[in-house]
Amino acid sequence: NAGVTQTPKFQVLKTGQSMTLQCAQDMNHEYMSWYRQDPGMGLRLIHYSVGAGITDQGEVPNGYNVSRSTTEDFPLRLLSAAPSQTSVYFCASSYSRYSGANVLTFGAGSRLTVL
Amino acid sequence: KQEVTQIPAALSVPEGENLVLNCSFTDSAIYNLQWFRQDPGKGLTSLLLIQSSQREQTSGRLNASLDKSSGRSTLYIAASQPGDSATYLCAVREGYTGFQKLVFGTGTRLLVSP
Repeated sequence: NAGVTQTPKFQVLKTGQSMTLQCAQDMNHEYMSWYRQDPGMGLRLIHYSVGAGITDQGEVPNGYNVSRSTTEDFPLRLLSAAPSQTSVYFCASSYSRYSGANVLTFGAGSRLTVL
Repeated sequence: KQEVTQIPAALSVPEGENLVLNCSFTDSAIYNLQWFRQDPGKGLTSLLLIQSSQREQTSGRLNASLDKSSGRSTLYIAASQPGDSATYLCAVREGYTGFQKLVFGTGTRLLVSP
């Protein structure tokens, strides 16, 4: 099925551990992004990419790294996990960043707990 | 800094009622506004997108309106059904060129009882 696939769905880490949240889309979307969702707060943008080899920071980038080596994949790396990174993470993509009628397609989310 | 607020935070109604969800934003210089639906444990599904030049959009039993000058949008759901139970999020797009940055509200959790 076409769409945005995120793995893993659930993960528990200890403080200081590292991990990578995977995101893949098979729709040839140019634009990909990572959001985090915390209780009582709206989704906040972490990092985004407007094409292979091009990434930039969003609203809350600290503690996270990204890369975009292919059009399909946009992994999010936590180098040294902290309890403040406990959250639900969503990957989203869209066809073209220049389209005004562009809608985002979201993955199902990855729930991360840092102890 | 753009802030998006959704009221009420939660809403419980009996099946068949017509209802209105509200979204307000502080900076009227938006490119468009989207309404999303989020089911528990799942991602967001886009319901309606309204361009800044438009006043409303309709899809089935859903109608979304936009008043940029007053910084408000409403999502009208007609003849609500239990299957409409979900959290509804609105998001405004900032930036007229290039990167599509969305600022989200915190959502309205809707429960429709049979």
